[in-house]
Amino acid sequence: DGGITQSPKYLFRKEGQNVTLSCEQNLNHDAMYWYRQDPGQGLRLIYYSQIVNDFQKGDIAEGYSVSREKKESFPLTVTSAQKNPTAFYLCASTQGGEAFFGQGTRLTVV
Amino acid sequence: QQPVQSPQAVILREGEDAVINCSSSKALYSVHWYRQKHGEAPVFLMILLKGGEQKGHDKISASFNEKKQQSSLYLTASQLSYSGTYFCGTDAGGSYIPTFGRGTSLIVHP
Repeated sequence: DGGITQSPKYLFRKEGQNVTLSCEQNLNHDAMYWYRQDPGQGLRLIYYSQIVNDFQKGDIAEGYSVSREKKESFPLTVTSAQKNPTAFYLCASTQGGEAFFGQGTRLTVV
Repeated sequence: QQPVQSPQAVILREGEDAVINCSSSKALYSVHWYRQKHGEAPVFLMILLKGGEQKGHDKISASFNEKKQQSSLYLTASQLSYSGTYFCGTDAGGSYIPTFGRGTSLIVHP
């Protein structure tokens, strides 16, 4: 079945560490996105990529980095510069306006 | 800028109707509606394009008033399965990249 796969489902990070969240899709979609979800905040856009080797900052890109070396993959790195990284992270891809989401990664800083 | 959703929460009994509103301060190209159940990924419901269209999906329908920069989601004869958080996403630039509202929590009781 086609879809978006995010891993890991749960991730614990020590303060000061960088961590990378994986996002893979087999839907052959060009556009991919990373959203952060906090209680009561909705989904906020971190980065998006509309084509391989190109990506754009979203509304809350500070402290995050991404790469898009392959169409299928759009990993997100949460750097030590992100002051409050504990959140639920969702990856998505879109086709014709419809977004398909992965099951999310819950990141906790310990 | 996030669209504003109202109400923040709705509690219903099975069979009752509900309306969720979404308004933006910007002129919109499209409006997207998603439903998210607790701990799961958001699921696409529908997209409405400028032109004031209305769409329906079983007993869930939506309207888009381009002039008022508003959209409404109508849930008719609600079922237990309708419970979840509903998000509207608005796109002002025609890129289909939605900016999401904070969500409306819908609880349907037997």
